[in-house]
Amino acid sequence: AQSVTQPDIHITVSEGASLELRCNYSYGATPYLFWYVQSPGQGLQLLLKYFSGDTLVQGIKGFEAEFKRSQSSFNLRKPSVHWSDAAEYFCAVARSGTASKLTFGTGTRLQVTL
Amino acid sequence: DAGVIQSPRHEVTEMGQEVTLRCKPISGHDYLFWYRQTMMRGLELLIYFNNNVPIDDSGMPEDRFSAKMPNASFSTLKIQPSEPRDSAVYFCASSGDRGGLADEQYFGPGTRLTVT
Repeated sequence: AQSVTQPDIHITVSEGASLELRCNYSYGATPYLFWYVQSPGQGLQLLLKYFSGDTLVQGIKGFEAEFKRSQSSFNLRKPSVHWSDAAEYFCAVARSGTASKLTFGTGTRLQVTL
Repeated sequence: DAGVIQSPRHEVTEMGQEVTLRCKPISGHDYLFWYRQTMMRGLELLIYFNNNVPIDDSGMPEDRFSAKMPNASFSTLKIQPSEPRDSAVYFCASSGDRGGLADEQYFGPGTRLTVT
């Protein structure tokens, strides 16, 4: 079965600084990978996804993520963080061929200081 | 598109009562998912449907939980009887079909359930 590890529970960055959120997955084949963002009291919004092809994936709100098979990682990055990016971020994995059974990481809470 | 719609947004009930959560998926989506989110266990998939048929209910915690999808635009998750440990945020999500397989999932705003 697949699994996801987000090693950072909480991260604080200054507005305008760069951001990288870590995600490591465990799966025997090439997985489908996702990053979702959850604002307080809200549902999850898809930031970006990787199914196949180019390993650098662009998403909404200026986020990108890079799939690195050798490191079993799918880290999320943003060059300049805005105060509105403060939220909880979830990495998720599904077995290749379907996005039906998502396994989520425990999430990383991002705090942005002004 | 209105997105995935869930009702109610908040539910407070007493232990032993029946609770019904409702979900309207995005029009045209063939897959519907029910998740539960708690501090202790994070986000867990409870059950999912494809074309109104339950495909995998291995995440349903016990017989007190049941889910139905009578048509393509409506699903319910029922807990009977409810217990305090069922307190959580319950999310519904839907996705389209990608060559016969599920595509990315779109989540509703969730129902916060409190069982006292």
